[in-house]
Amino acid sequence: DTEVTQTPKHLVMGMTNKKSLKCEQHMGHRAMYWYKQKAKKPPELMFVYSYEKLSINESVPSRFSPECPNSSLLNLHLHALQPEDSALYLCASSQEPPSGGAYEQFFGPGTRLTVL
Amino acid sequence: GQNIDQPTEMTATEGAIVQINCTYQTSGFNGLFWYQQHAGEAPTFLSYNVLDGLEEKGRFSSFLSRSKGYSYLLLKELQMKDSASYLCVHEGYGQNFVFGPGTRLSVLP
Repeated sequence: DTEVTQTPKHLVMGMTNKKSLKCEQHMGHRAMYWYKQKAKKPPELMFVYSYEKLSINESVPSRFSPECPNSSLLNLHLHALQPEDSALYLCASSQEPPSGGAYEQFFGPGTRLTVL
Repeated sequence: GQNIDQPTEMTATEGAIVQINCTYQTSGFNGLFWYQQHAGEAPTFLSYNVLDGLEEKGRFSSFLSRSKGYSYLLLKELQMKDSASYLCVHEGYGQNFVFGPGTRLSVLP
């Protein structure tokens, strides 16, 4: 299984809602990532989990809260989002955390989020 | 900080060769990746360079010069399906990945 899956594919939420994005991989990868991608822009790194521990937080607002329940799962909890948070949220995984090795990232199809 | 530059758009003809350049100014370097992203899809890995020189993989090759902060992706025998965005990705110290702005390549018949 060389696939990263994400659910849901699409999500529409109001600014007062609480929702969660889910990501799963069964490749035994030890690093997982959340990215945000706006239209016609490159992905921006939000969070990195290495061996189930949060190892980097790129100054992301606290209304985004990541969680790694186990080595195969990664969640992104959303609360009190703003319309400008509407974007494609991509999850990725790699065999090992970034450390100067050729550990390519495998990306999921993304969740397209719209905040009303 | 990190600054990565790529041309915004390029156009080439089916069967031709195209070179997509990437320059970077960074405070640390662990490696440079190239990813392909078709419209509406997730990025997929193409190549990785950590040492200077050329890495070849079928129709795709990537070159790196660390002293010049420069990389390029070379695509040979272009096919229509190569129309996509090509993303130069810099891995810096501290598990930091920065994607360049991407180059949208259009392959014409």
